[in-house]
Amino acid sequence: RKEVEQDPGPFNVPEGATVAFNCTYSNSASQSFFWYRQDCRKEPKLLMSVYSSGNEDGRFTAQLNRASQYISLLIRDSKLSDSATYLCNAGGTSYGKLTFGQGTILTVHP
Amino acid sequence: GAGVSQSPSNKVTEKGKDVELRCDPISGHTALYWYRQSLGQGLEFLIYFQGNSAPDKSGLPSDRFSAERTGGSVSTLTIQRTQQEDSAVYLCASSLASAGSNVLTFGAGSRLTVL
Repeated sequence: RKEVEQDPGPFNVPEGATVAFNCTYSNSASQSFFWYRQDCRKEPKLLMSVYSSGNEDGRFTAQLNRASQYISLLIRDSKLSDSATYLCNAGGTSYGKLTFGQGTILTVHP
Repeated sequence: GAGVSQSPSNKVTEKGKDVELRCDPISGHTALYWYRQSLGQGLEFLIYFQGNSAPDKSGLPSDRFSAERTGGSVSTLTIQRTQQEDSAVYLCASSLASAGSNVLTFGAGSRLTVL
């Protein structure tokens, strides 16, 4: 089993839709979780950290479910500019090896 | 520097040649990571350096791959006797690696093509 797994998609949604991605992790000792966004032929960039209590940043909401060992990302009111690959990331301790999922491709169409 | 700098940005080589990829992390970042990304794939962890600790080499795919980090700053990833399956984008990232702050900043990557 991979350490971090994501549904690769692709997810094709119309503008204004709400879309959610999940990411499961196998290491129960993981303590840090992040979502990154990667545009085509670019490097990944941090989208948001995932906190135990869940957190929101504008149209984006991230949640952590420790019991089921997954994190989620919810995007509301999708924009064309949200089209990208979304990568989740989990780490075993506050710092150390950080493993990524294979990425979920999102395409938002008019 | 202001960001993570990688060189070369593109490298085309012949099968069997050795290549060196360089990463210059953000000043003050103690943690440095190398990842590999093949076309349409996710990020494959290769190696992790943290300060003066022994590196975590658990992701290196074969003994043809090695990396070093001199003076806790610049890192070089070396691939010996390159094979066509080594073709990928090699991404370097650095982090402050303090408690609660292991957010990664990536370089633009080195795109390696092995003919």
